[in-house]
Amino acid sequence: DVKVTQSSRYLVKRTGEKVFLECVQDMDHENMFWYRQDPGLGLRLIYFSYDVKMKEKGDIPEGYSVSREKKERFSLILESASTNQTSMYLCASSYPGQNYEQYFGPGTRLTVT
Amino acid sequence: LAKTTQPISMDSYEGQEVNITCSHNNIATNDYITWYQQFPSQGPRFIIQGYKTKVTNEVASLFIPADRKSSTLSLPRVSLSDTAVYYCLVGGPLSGGYNKLIFGAGTRLAVHP
Repeated sequence: DVKVTQSSRYLVKRTGEKVFLECVQDMDHENMFWYRQDPGLGLRLIYFSYDVKMKEKGDIPEGYSVSREKKERFSLILESASTNQTSMYLCASSYPGQNYEQYFGPGTRLTVT
Repeated sequence: LAKTTQPISMDSYEGQEVNITCSHNNIATNDYITWYQQFPSQGPRFIIQGYKTKVTNEVASLFIPADRKSSTLSLPRVSLSDTAVYYCLVGGPLSGGYNKLIFGAGTRLAVHP
């Protein structure tokens, strides 16, 4: 079974802090994704990566950056956290050409105070 | 990119068949339709995917009419454990060979005893 793990289930940070969210997958998937999920808005794509060191902006990249130095690891960075970034963050991975079937991690609930 | 519209919520009873319809009027020729299920505090889980007509697996069936402007997820004989949020998403390959998905707001299904 594919396993996607995220570094924290719950995280509390202060406004202005730099925040790192880590995601690791064990299925050698080329594609990895970061989403945020907010009530009433469903899942929104922040960034995705289709190869090491490659990244593409999703629908809401403002305020975020990503890093993919190794194939299995995809990091989401909040350079200066703000309260409007309080959300559930979900990481996913998939094979190329099979992005319709994504495997999700358990999520990180981030609270910025 | 095709936008999707689903009912916000639905109620059902154990043992009934549940049909959730998703509208996607602007679906593109190469777009696929995929449904995910999400339980509280978990990442979404792939249920089923289709392009046209009917697809069935051990969990659900997916009905897609000829014009592909809508699709219906059918869950046979639901149980309490099917209480979840169901997402319809539509996506296809962009130039470069990787896919971008659009998640709708989801349908919250409540199954009652």
